Amino acid sequence: DAGVIQSPRHEVTEMGQEVTLRCKPISGHNSLFWYRQTMMRGLELLIYFNNNVPIDDSGMPEDRFSAKMPNASFSTLKIQPSEPRDSAVYFCASSFRQGGAETQYFGPGTRLLVL
Amino acid sequence: AQSVTQLDSQVPVFEEAPVELRCNYSSSVSVYLFWYVQYPNQGLQLLLKYLSGSTLVESINGFEAEFNKSQTSFHLRKPSVHISDTAEYFCAVSDSGGSYIPTFGRGTSLIVHP
Repeated sequence: DAGVIQSPRHEVTEMGQEVTLRCKPISGHNSLFWYRQTMMRGLELLIYFNNNVPIDDSGMPEDRFSAKMPNASFSTLKIQPSEPRDSAVYFCASSFRQGGAETQYFGPGTRLLVL
Repeated sequence: AQSVTQLDSQVPVFEEAPVELRCNYSSSVSVYLFWYVQYPNQGLQLLLKYLSGSTLVESINGFEAEFNKSQTSFHLRKPSVHISDTAEYFCAVSDSGGSYIPTFGRGTSLIVHP
């Protein structure tokens, strides 16, 4: 299995531009998570999908952030417009839901720098 | 609601010395407990987890953690560390009641010196 795939691995953009991060979860997994990691705030859960449906998006910072999961094998996280404070590493993780006992499998992350 | 506290943000240690990374949690229900490891420029990966049964769980690379319900702790230990163990370690808890969303601690940076 290729594991969780994220693209791009690195993104440098200017303030105000739209950024789209992509994730392909592990085949057969029914839960998908988007996280953001920064030195200041640590690992933050942004949004959680189960069976392609957003279950908890309380971690999404503001309306500039949106996430979609059109099918079981693809998800996007979009930031529009981007701001320098959005600079962080964004991780996608997937799991097969087992009542809380499931292991999360993380992708390699997308390192975003907004100038 | 559940929470996780990793008291040490950084733990420096010399190679071949023992190490303990501390994790305390709070939850009003039964929990599942996890330790994840993040090597530089990589995503997190599972190190070990406690679901039920024996309170001592082990990983394949020599780490172990013990679930202590009375102290609400799940400390990670290794009797002799290697340079390659240098990484960020995250403790996480999820409740067996069904939110299915784990809560992660802030992480502990283990730095192994030669």
